[in-house]
Amino acid sequence: EVQLVQSGAEVKKPGESLKISCKGSGYIFTNYWIGWVRQMPGKGLEWMGIIYPGDSDTRYSPSFQGQVTISADKFISTAYLQWSSLKASDSAMYYCARPHDHHGSGYFDSWGQGTLVTVSS
Amino acid sequence: QSVLTQPPSVSAAPGQKVTISCSGSSSNVGDNYVSWYQQLPGTAPKLLIYDNNNRPSGIPDRFSGSKSGTSATLGITGLQTGDEADYYCGTWDSSLSAGGVFGGGTKLTVL
Repeated sequence: EVQLVQSGAEVKKPGESLKISCKGSGYIFTNYWIGWVRQMPGKGLEWMGIIYPGDSDTRYSPSFQGQVTISADKFISTAYLQWSSLKASDSAMYYCARPHDHHGSGYFDSWGQGTLVTVSS
Repeated sequence: QSVLTQPPSVSAAPGQKVTISCSGSSSNVGDNYVSWYQQLPGTAPKLLIYDNNNRPSGIPDRFSGSKSGTSATLGITGLQTGDEADYYCGTWDSSLSAGGVFGGGTKLTVL
């Protein structure tokens, strides 16, 4: 069974850095892309970007390029989403999800449980 | 402002049928498969329909999907109170800034 397990909720102050994680299991981690999706409070889903853990090929939505960094450690089957300097507007639920196809452009067939990030002074 | 346009809300009585539309453009809906996700309150989204009109294992046939041109539609028949959720369409956008895109979401209320 494919599982994506995310790290726990975080409370941070503006300007702090943060790295959240998503561990995949039940499949060959290096053979599938992993994506990140943002959901701000009371709002819809936003596609942030994807990474191919096999070679770390990464693609970002223009809205998130330069704002976050997506990375992966294939040896521990874990993908990451990180910020170098958080803003209050980064407060949201963040989901990792697996595109079903090897191009990364397909539907998300598995989702993590979400990581709630709260940024407040 | 989402790339794909969905109605903010729809409602119907138990047992009735409802449809949710998803409108895009030639670079996204018109050029790629559409998927639909159900998000129950306080939970992660779940895949409901993939490749325009296919249901993953375990999804009842009360849920259906279709696509025509640059629009897609999710249909739900025999509405149940447990269907109350937010529904999102999603697809790939093949434009210069290629990437995944979602609709703004539709809140389904079963009266």
